[in-house]
Amino acid sequence: DTGVSQNPRHKITKRGQNVTFRCDPISEHNRLYWYRQTLGQGPEFLTYFQNEAQLEKSRLLSDRFSAERPKGSFSTLEIQRTEQGDSAMYLCASSFLGQGTYEQYFGPGTRLTVT
Amino acid sequence: DQQVKQNSPSLSVQEGRISILNCDYTNSMFDYFLWYKKYPAEGPTFLISISSIKDKNEDGRFTVFLNKSAKHLSLHIVPSQPGDSAVYFCAASIDNYGQNFVFGPGTRLSVLP
Repeated sequence: DTGVSQNPRHKITKRGQNVTFRCDPISEHNRLYWYRQTLGQGPEFLTYFQNEAQLEKSRLLSDRFSAERPKGSFSTLEIQRTEQGDSAMYLCASSFLGQGTYEQYFGPGTRLTVT
Repeated sequence: DQQVKQNSPSLSVQEGRISILNCDYTNSMFDYFLWYKKYPAEGPTFLISISSIKDKNEDGRFTVFLNKSAKHLSLHIVPSQPGDSAVYFCAASIDNYGQNFVFGPGTRLSVLP
């Protein structure tokens, strides 16, 4: 296992279109997180899953955003009716609850540009 | 309202010297803190963490100090190496289950040969 992977790495879309990103966590990790990062800022928490259950969503996550983690493995983040303000790096991270330390392991991110 | 602040956007240090990166937080409920390092075109990589029950944690060249009364933590890198050049993020969590990390804006460290 080489770590957390995200696809696509880059996405350019026109305003109003829908986009979907995929995250494959480290295989034994039961927690999966989505973050958004804009230029000059640190990652901002969006939502997280424990296994297939979505346990927390940030108030940053508007109703145009939806995330799923069917079967507790990979996850998808969909943005409907994209806006220019959605342009950002979308980061996925995973962790394992139960090892005693809870650091999150990040993927390389998907850079979204909305034109 | 930034709960985690890194007031130095950038820092330059000579190779072999000490790098000190600072982080301040406002939420007294935070009790678990981490440092991440980020290279361009990569996701953040975990570096070191500290629980609020400690005031120091060391891992090789990296040491994190926590001053709870001042709501301040710092990362010391000794000796600094050119490969340490990256953006460093401080992150905090209310519990060490890591459910919701709040990240600072980052400090770009440049280690000059």
